[in-house]
Amino acid sequence: GAVVSQHPSRVICKSGTSVKIECRSLDFQATTMFWYRQFPKQSLMLMATSNEGSKATYEQGVEKDKFLINHASLTLSTLTVTSAHPEDSSFYICSARDGTGWQAFFGQGTRLTVV
Amino acid sequence: GNSVTQMEGPVTLSEEAFLTINCTYTATGYPSLFWYVQYPGEGLQLLLKATKADDKGSNKGFEATYRKETTSFHLEKGSVQVSDSAVYFCALSPPSNTGKLIFGQGTTLQVKP
Repeated sequence: GAVVSQHPSRVICKSGTSVKIECRSLDFQATTMFWYRQFPKQSLMLMATSNEGSKATYEQGVEKDKFLINHASLTLSTLTVTSAHPEDSSFYICSARDGTGWQAFFGQGTRLTVV
Repeated sequence: GNSVTQMEGPVTLSEEAFLTINCTYTATGYPSLFWYVQYPGEGLQLLLKATKADDKGSNKGFEATYRKETTSFHLEKGSVQVSDSAVYFCALSPPSNTGKLIFGQGTTLQVKP
């Protein structure tokens, strides 16, 4: 299957700072990327959907000014958590699909800890 | 709205035991249904899928049947191995086919030798 690489796998940042998470499709062009968040022992919750060259579509309850998503190329999407707080600590997972298939491929996730 | 409910884990089994992980869903229309698996330190991988009622998805000895009447998609395997230890997620994709997935909370499976 297609490969999606997410970086970093773990990050610790201080409260009030911003952190950027990258999601890359390595061997296909990702016209659509999805960002999920997972709390301990809970489901993955979709945060936003981004299409290359367009503004992201955020799910209800997700602060678009706090979670900035950029999908400027067909192989890269970034999620920036701005002014991070301890309650933003979570596991963030991206997935990507091309324009032809139905299947979305997942990155390995990023564990964010805000101290 | 759309939602997925899975049985709580962890599920602990001995090698060669029979596995069932229950999954039920609520949805408008006819969603597609999936099981994903996450091995330690890795990303989610698609295990199997079914796109319409009575379809059976199967892969690596795992099976699940799309039951419209009971809104269920239970995962089964006749004989588990230690290497099957992972977290299993049931998910649905609404009929709009945007690629958006709605996940259950995940069930951790531990298989002991």
